[in-house]
Order: sequence, then structure tokens, then C-alpha cells
Amino acid sequence: EAQVTQNPRYLITVTGKKLTVTCSQNMNHEYMSWYRQDPGLGLRQIYYSMNVEVTDKGDVPEGYKVSRKEKRNFPLILESPSPNQTSLYFCASSLVEVRYNEQFFGPGTRLTVL
Amino acid sequence: GENVEQHPSTLSVQEGDSAVIKCTYSDSASNYFPWYKQELGKGPQLIIDIRSNVGEKKDQRIAVTLNKTAKHFSLHITETQPEDSAVYFCLSGGSNYKLTFGKGTLLTVNP
Repeated sequence: EAQVTQNPRYLITVTGKKLTVTCSQNMNHEYMSWYRQDPGLGLRQIYYSMNVEVTDKGDVPEGYKVSRKEKRNFPLILESPSPNQTSLYFCASSLVEVRYNEQFFGPGTRLTVL
Repeated sequence: GENVEQHPSTLSVQEGDSAVIKCTYSDSASNYFPWYKQELGKGPQLIIDIRSNVGEKKDQRIAVTLNKTAKHFSLHITETQPEDSAVYFCLSGGSNYKLTFGKGTLLTVNP
């Protein structure tokens, strides 16, 4: 089954404790992206990657890191989480021409930073 | 960067009525306009899209219309049903690979 998986689905942590949210897709997509969803603000892009070792900032990259060492995986790293990063996070993947193609979203990761 | 405005932010209709959600965009180079539906507890899922070479596209009870001159596109849902209740997002890709979603519309269909 074609899918995007994220882990963990729920995470409660404390300020400053490094964490990683994993994302994996089995569709051989070149493009992958991370979004955060906050009430009233919709989906905002954090980082995206057009292929292995190619990443770029979205609209809200501050406080986040990503890496793309393999085509199928695109982890989101919070090196020193803060309470304002409490949010619902989605990973998505698409063919490289994402401007003309469907994005497939993961189920989401709800993160709470205390 | 691309600016996408989506209205209304909330919409409540009676079952069987029609619902219309509108998005305006700023980047005249945008050529692809999808709509995503997000059900409670799930990730967004594409429901319909349109490319700039057509003005309207239909898929059963849903349709999307595009006015490139005015830079806006709309989602139309006819004969609404309770299962249409969800958050709907529009998206404009603009001329680069950074993507901008509208802020979303919470549609509630009352039985």
C-alpha cells in the first residue's frame, strides 16, 4: 500500500530535549516536505527536499533541522524544542514536480513541548 | 513569496445545500490549483485539482473553477452530506517549490 508513515504519532517532551520525528514514504517520490498545522494559521511549510541531499527552507524553518540521506526518509529534528513548537506536524511526499502533482500526507504527529 | 487567501474560515450549511469556498493567489506564474480535504484526526487528502489551461473541472458533487485573470479559484460542493464535514485547504504552488496553503475552511454540514 502506497503510504507516508510518521513516528511517533504523539509526543510530549520538555523544553530543550532534542527530538526527532521520522517520516518515510514507499512511493519513490523525490519531493518531501514538512508542515506544521496550528489553529487559525493553516498548514505552513517548514522545510522541503527535492531529492537526496537537496533541502531548502519553507516559510517557518526557525528551530528545525532536516536531513535527506535516503530517498524514502526525511526526518524532522528539533535540537532544542520550545513551547512555541507545540503543534501538529505533517510530512508529505510528491513527484518532483510538486507544483503540478498531488502531495500524499502522513497521519500527523502531535507534539507538546512543556 | 506567494500569498494565498482563503474564505470563509468557517461555513455551516444544511444537508443538501451547496457550499462554495474561494481562494485568491498572488503569483501569476501559478498553474496548478489543488484542493485538499482534512477529516478529523487525519492528514489532508487531495479531492480535486485544476490546471491553468481549463476553467472548470467536475467530479461528481465537487467542482473547481478557475479565473486566472482575477487570480482566484473556488471549490463548489453540491448536495452536501454530513460526510463532507471537514477542513478544506486550497494550495498555490507559485513559481518555485515552496508551497503555500490557504488557512483552511471548516465546513460543517448539519443533518
